[in-house]
Amino acid sequence: QAVVTQEPSLTVSPGGTVTLTCGSSRGAVTSGHYPSWFQQKPGQAPKTLIYDTTKKHSWTPARFSGSLLGGKAALTLSGAQPEDEGDYYCLLSDGGVRVFGGGTKLTVL
Amino acid sequence: EVQLVESGGDLVKPGGSLRLSCAASGFTLSDAWVTWVRQAPGKGLEWVGRIKSKASGGTMDYAAPVKGRFTISRDDSKNTLYLEMNSLKTEDTAVYYCSTGNCWGQGTLVTVSS
Repeated sequence: QAVVTQEPSLTVSPGGTVTLTCGSSRGAVTSGHYPSWFQQKPGQAPKTLIYDTTKKHSWTPARFSGSLLGGKAALTLSGAQPEDEGDYYCLLSDGGVRVFGGGTKLTVL
Repeated sequence: EVQLVESGGDLVKPGGSLRLSCAASGFTLSDAWVTWVRQAPGKGLEWVGRIKSKASGGTMDYAAPVKGRFTISRDDSKNTLYLEMNSLKTEDTAVYYCSTGNCWGQGTLVTVSS
């Protein structure tokens, strides 16, 4: 199965902008990989932020957006808030299965 | 309220078996694609397997590490999904979540240890 790569950790200043990326060992990530993004805070279940590359749920803050960037899936956070600190995971389709990335620990500092 | 509740997690010996349940409320489980995801202690998320909705054929897919050992099934009369786990290994120790994508359960802990 594909290996999905994410930045292990990133830091953003409050109010700042940061982009998390999600790459595949099989090559460029496309909309056909149906990229999804999840946020997880300590001791909590994950929460789905973005699905099908760019789609948001009703609870997804407007400051989060999904896209494809340079052959990778991307999650951009514009106007970071302290409550955005946590772990972020991407998920890609790989044939009939799905594969998570290793996660990015986002610090708002 | 749309909700998923997992149960069945326990301490089991290597080589043993366990069945997890994922009970849905507020919606019909067979109308959704439902995924099992696990998270080993202090580690990231791992996709375990998925069952498609009845309308999409109800077929299952599994990640390589569990294929042949884990089986997903559904009881429509109980609006409940199951994850049957056999030949358990220590590396199967994790919190197991069920999810429809827009809804996640709280997870149930499976510990495989002698």
